[in-house]
Amino acid sequence: ETGVTQSPTHLIKTRGQQVTLRCSSQSGHNTVSWYQQALGQGPQFIFQYYREEENGRGNFPPRFSGLQFPNYSSELNVNALELDDSALYLCASSGTGPAETQYFGPGTRLLVL
Amino acid sequence: AQSVTQPDIHITVSEGASLELRCNYSYGATPYLFWYVQSPGQGLQLLLKYFSGDTLVQGIKGFEAEFKRSQSSFNLRKPSVHWSDAAEYFCAVGTPNSGYALNFGKGTSLLVTP
Repeated sequence: ETGVTQSPTHLIKTRGQQVTLRCSSQSGHNTVSWYQQALGQGPQFIFQYYREEENGRGNFPPRFSGLQFPNYSSELNVNALELDDSALYLCASSGTGPAETQYFGPGTRLLVL
Repeated sequence: AQSVTQPDIHITVSEGASLELRCNYSYGATPYLFWYVQSPGQGLQLLLKYFSGDTLVQGIKGFEAEFKRSQSSFNLRKPSVHWSDAAEYFCAVGTPNSGYALNFGKGTSLLVTP
């Protein structure tokens, strides 16, 4: 059983650019959630995808968008990058249902200059 | 508003000593409760979770946590800390009506001294 993987591991962008982060969910999981973890903070929920549809969204602007593919892998896209977008972006996969445990990937560290 | 509070930002314990990390939540109903650990530069690893039933939950690496409804708390404990336990610990709460999203506390950084 493979775990959750994310790519790339690190990324440097400049303000105003666009970025795409990728996540492969754990085998058997159909739900993917994305979180942003700023330095010294706990993760904050961005959104969740279930069967290729957005299933919930946190307090993030529309320039944060996502996709989920038929194999349940997912992308997080951020447009018009701002300095405050610098953070560790975590992807978590889970099965169906609110009681399902979310298993996290190692994250992508994004630095916006 | 829903919230998760971890009152201790940093905790230092000696190796072999006992540990208790505090977590309080504010929700209208009984939530689903989790403790995760994060080593430097790493993702989050689940230590344990509480959904229902026995309020004392056993987890990995010798950790346990107790759900106390009357105190809205879910404190994490370990009887004897090892140097490898040094990490950031996060309490998280999920509710059935939150779209399965986890609401995390700000974390407690654990330092273990020889």
